[in-house]
Amino acid sequence: SAVISQKPSRDICQRGTSLTIQCQVDSQVTMMFWYRQQPGQSLTLIATANQGSEATYESGFVIDKFPISRPNLTFSTLTVSNMSPEDSSIYLCSVNRGKNTEAFFGQGTRLTVV
Amino acid sequence: GNSVTQMEGPVTLSEEAFLTINCTYTATGYPSLFWYVQYPGEGLQLLLKATKADDKGSNKGFEATYRKETTSFHLEKGSVQVSDSAVYFCALGGGATNKLIFGTGTLLAVQP
Repeated sequence: SAVISQKPSRDICQRGTSLTIQCQVDSQVTMMFWYRQQPGQSLTLIATANQGSEATYESGFVIDKFPISRPNLTFSTLTVSNMSPEDSSIYLCSVNRGKNTEAFFGQGTRLTVV
Repeated sequence: GNSVTQMEGPVTLSEEAFLTINCTYTATGYPSLFWYVQYPGEGLQLLLKATKADDKGSNKGFEATYRKETTSFHLEKGSVQVSDSAVYFCALGGGATNKLIFGTGTLLAVQP
């Protein structure tokens, strides 16, 4: 299993500002994933973060808007930059232990942009 | 690309009713299939999984069988309880990173 801690759990931010979300895992993992869950919607993968290399972004997501850091095997950050109300979502960090294995999720960060 | 199509909700059932939530997928190769559940106010957690064709995943009375011929992974439970009220997500995983692709989610409301 894996225990994932995300901070902050929620925030209300002004448009045009940036928010950095932290994800801490209780054990080393190769890959960490960042998802977005818009209100009433499913989860959409933003990017995959590997330690020591640049994150791999999914179609529709770009590094300038969602820069990601992965300084070691237990930690990652996602920044939501130059926020607008459309960025209001729950952002989730996730890890797994390899092919065909269960994914573990953090509790999520509920972001509201006003 | 890979995708998951899931039955839209909400689904409202009486306690002890039979539940089916349909899920079909499109994928290259041999993906793994998962059902995740999100109870009110809680995080996402794995309900069951199947990693190859004809596998049946089961947990807490829920079952789903990986059907390659119909590209389906329908979730079933013979007798639902009020405590089963949650959002259920079908997901497809695989490849080198095992990243997940989720269906739209189905809200289940079980009434006493």
